[in-house]
Amino acid sequence: GQNIDQPTEMTATEGAIVQINCTYQTSGFNGLFWYQQHAGEAPTFLSYNVLDGLEEKGRFSSFLSRSKGYSYLLLKELQMKDSASYLCAVMDSNYQLIWGAGTKLIIKP
Amino acid sequence: DVKVTQSSRYLVKRTGEKVFLECVQDMDHENMFWYRQDPGLGLRLIYFSYDVKMKEKGDIPEGYSVSREKKERFSLILESASTNQTSMYLCASSFGTEGYNEQFFGPGTRLTVL
Repeated sequence: GQNIDQPTEMTATEGAIVQINCTYQTSGFNGLFWYQQHAGEAPTFLSYNVLDGLEEKGRFSSFLSRSKGYSYLLLKELQMKDSASYLCAVMDSNYQLIWGAGTKLIIKP
Repeated sequence: DVKVTQSSRYLVKRTGEKVFLECVQDMDHENMFWYRQDPGLGLRLIYFSYDVKMKEKGDIPEGYSVSREKKERFSLILESASTNQTSMYLCASSFGTEGYNEQFFGPGTRLTVL
């Protein structure tokens, strides 16, 4: 079956760095997405990786290793507004998005 | 700015009622999706549509139907609401399906079935 695993919850301190991991087993691979979802709001797009390596976008970076079925989202210089759930999603061979359950990130002052 | 709107933010219905959830996007996107989101579970795809009058079942279509009569509008119908359909319902749209085609989400409808 298809499976996306990510930690349920993480806690970090304002100003610090946090890495949220995502491992996947899917039938085929056509890219991996990270979305941010604040409580009670819609998910919003953060990043897309289809080739191995690191994609940097300001304070946020996303890494992909296709051979290991692994990705991470790196958040630097954490701010209180980064408190949210972070959703990992993989596009499979049928171009369908398979979603992880999300990682709730709690930022403490 | 891409905008996806949903008809209600909160809805309370009774068991057995027919429920309509409406979604409208203003970006001329080809593809539209209905998901439900429950605590501890990932987004689960109910139905999607790649074109007007076209629909495809997702992972959990039982108890639901959809309608897409116009390109910008995608409706989700609960034929006879049940308590296990209490959930957050999210609509999304995208321009294409292959490769880098992010999905844009509406604000969600939190449905409670009593």
